[in-house]
Amino acid sequence: NAGVTQTPKFQVLKTGQSMTLQCAQDMNHNSMYWYRQDPGMGLRLIYYSASEGTTDKGEVPNGYNVSRLNKREFSLRLESAAPSQTSVYFCASRSGGDNSPLHFGNGTRLTVT
Amino acid sequence: AQKITQTQPGMFVQEKEAVTLDCTYDTSDPSYGLFWYKQPSSGEMIFLIYQGSYDQQNATEGRYSLNFQKARKSANLVISASQLGDSAMYFCAMREGWGGGFKTIFGAGTRLFVKA
Repeated sequence: NAGVTQTPKFQVLKTGQSMTLQCAQDMNHNSMYWYRQDPGMGLRLIYYSASEGTTDKGEVPNGYNVSRLNKREFSLRLESAAPSQTSVYFCASRSGGDNSPLHFGNGTRLTVT
Repeated sequence: AQKITQTQPGMFVQEKEAVTLDCTYDTSDPSYGLFWYKQPSSGEMIFLIYQGSYDQQNATEGRYSLNFQKARKSANLVISASQLGDSAMYFCAMREGWGGGFKTIFGAGTRLFVKA
């Protein structure tokens, strides 16, 4: 099983450009999440989707939009990239059990110049 | 607002010794879950152990155990018999509420170095 798949693995953008980070999971999980990881700050939640058709803001949603396209796919869009969005982005999913952990993708390393 | 605090940016431990990584949390929700994840230098996130707020006993998984002190709002990870492969970043995380749709937030992490 592939688990959680993120594309692309690496991306360099110029300030003001837009892009979409793709995420898909094949575990039939209901909930999906987007995090960014910066040195010394751990993982910060950008947006999450409790189930197909719903999305909610996390800790740092400004500058991002998301789409829960279907149960499998949850995309993150940067409309106008800024250098402050340089980070490693992780997508994750989890099933509905209270003790179910997050299953993470391998991350996307984004650099905005 | 919920919050996770990991006060140890870096820790050193001698191989084969035990080490405790600290985690304190803050929440007003009576139902929550605490998780620990490991991130090796390769970058992937690996789930280690879970403790529910209503669990009566401390969680254990192999060499990992969770020292859960609910009144103090702490959930420290104990790694026994450290191995060189335990060198990694360790993150404490908390899920508020129950079910699948609740957000999970992370602490800043502790980098563990295991010395031979």
